[in-house]
Amino acid sequence: AQSVTQLGSHVSVSEGALVLLRCNYSSSVPPYLFWYVQYPNQGLQLLLKYTSAATLVKGINGFEAEFKKSETSFHLTKPSAHMSDAAEYFCAVSDRSGTYKYIFGTGTRLKVLA
Amino acid sequence: GAGVSQSPSNKVTEKGKDVELRCDPISGHTALYWYRQSLGQGLEFLIYFQGNSAPDKSGLPSDRFSAERTGGSVSTLTIQRTQQEDSAVYLCASSLAGRGGYNEQFFGPGTRLTVL
Repeated sequence: AQSVTQLGSHVSVSEGALVLLRCNYSSSVPPYLFWYVQYPNQGLQLLLKYTSAATLVKGINGFEAEFKKSETSFHLTKPSAHMSDAAEYFCAVSDRSGTYKYIFGTGTRLKVLA
Repeated sequence: GAGVSQSPSNKVTEKGKDVELRCDPISGHTALYWYRQSLGQGLEFLIYFQGNSAPDKSGLPSDRFSAERTGGSVSTLTIQRTQQEDSAVYLCASSLAGRGGYNEQFFGPGTRLTVL
């Protein structure tokens, strides 16, 4: 069965510092992977997706993620944190058995310190 | 264009009452998903529709939960005899799954359900 692990339910960084949010997946087939962001009282917004093309994926708001098959990882990074990045981030793997439903990680709440 | 919409945005009900949650997907999206977001359980898949049929209902937690989709568009999630553990945010998403392989799901703002 597919699963997603996000290490660190809470991450704090200083404004301007590197953001690194970790995601590891378990999948028996090449996965589709996604990062979503959720701002308070809002729905989920897609940041970026991996669909077996380039392993380094660039998304919105300066975020990027690298798919590493050997490490079964899809960590999210941003070189310089901004106050507006404070939100909850979810990594998800798509079930490719037919329904394409998402299996989500437990989420990482990012706090940006001034 | 219009995104996924859900109504109501908030619903407070008493234990034992039935509730209906509505989702309007993006026009033309054949796939529709319901998820539940609750403290301690994270984001859980509930049910998947392709058109009007639901080939995957594996995430529905009990037979008190049901959902339907009509006209390949609007979907309603019904919870009968609500319990306090049903309190959560119910998220709906739609996508073009099945067309072109990978899918990107577009999420609505959710319905926050509180069962007293």
